[in-house]
Amino acid sequence: QSVLPQPPSASGTPGQSVTISCSGSSSNIGSNTVNWYQQLPGTAPKLLIYSNNQRPSGVPDRFSASKSDTSASLAISGLQSEDEADYYCAAWDDSLNGYVFGAGTKVTVL
Amino acid sequence: EVQLVESGGGLVQPGGSLRLSCAASGFTFSTRWMTWVRQAPGMGLEWVANVNQDGSGTYFVNSVKGRFTISRDNAKNSLYLQVSSLRVEDTAIYYCARVAIPAARYYYIDVWGKGTTVTVSS
Repeated sequence: QSVLPQPPSASGTPGQSVTISCSGSSSNIGSNTVNWYQQLPGTAPKLLIYSNNQRPSGVPDRFSASKSDTSASLAISGLQSEDEADYYCAAWDDSLNGYVFGAGTKVTVL
Repeated sequence: EVQLVESGGGLVQPGGSLRLSCAASGFTFSTRWMTWVRQAPGMGLEWVANVNQDGSGTYFVNSVKGRFTISRDNAKNSLYLQVSSLRVEDTAIYYCARVAIPAARYYYIDVWGKGTTVTVSS
């Protein structure tokens, strides 16, 4: 059981929007910022969103994220075929004194 | 260009050891926390260990405490992970990564290597 539960899958057709949730607790999301990573098939993860809602240079503004209390969400608008990937939320956990990842959500573009 | 290149993975028997290395370039290595993250086959990401800028502080996930050691050589821009007493469940791709801590309560991994594969099997 992951410390940060995520839905195992999400899907949409090209152009649609998809939202992925990430549930945490007071020791992780409730106390620290949330980050999101994208992992394309067969590749290393890549930072997608940091500090709750900031996009690194080069990440399209189709990707947005938010945090509220002990949960967070990632939204992908205008879904494209190249968005097919696994998406992980993550945050520092004060109780575990470590960085915890969500279980990951596989996004499929139908 | 910021780059992290791992090496040292391989096939090892249960109870065996390996030393994973990570060569860093394109940034001032000595100023950044570094970390190892692993991914078992078909599974999600798991944080393994952190080391602070000068190597004086190290942190581990509970499942590897006492078996893994993280270290760094700032003169060589290199990060290491000594993995010992290996178990089948340690089989994974091990990623070297750079950490960003811009302020208290702000922690994220901003650069990842391509990974090196460790397979523990008899």
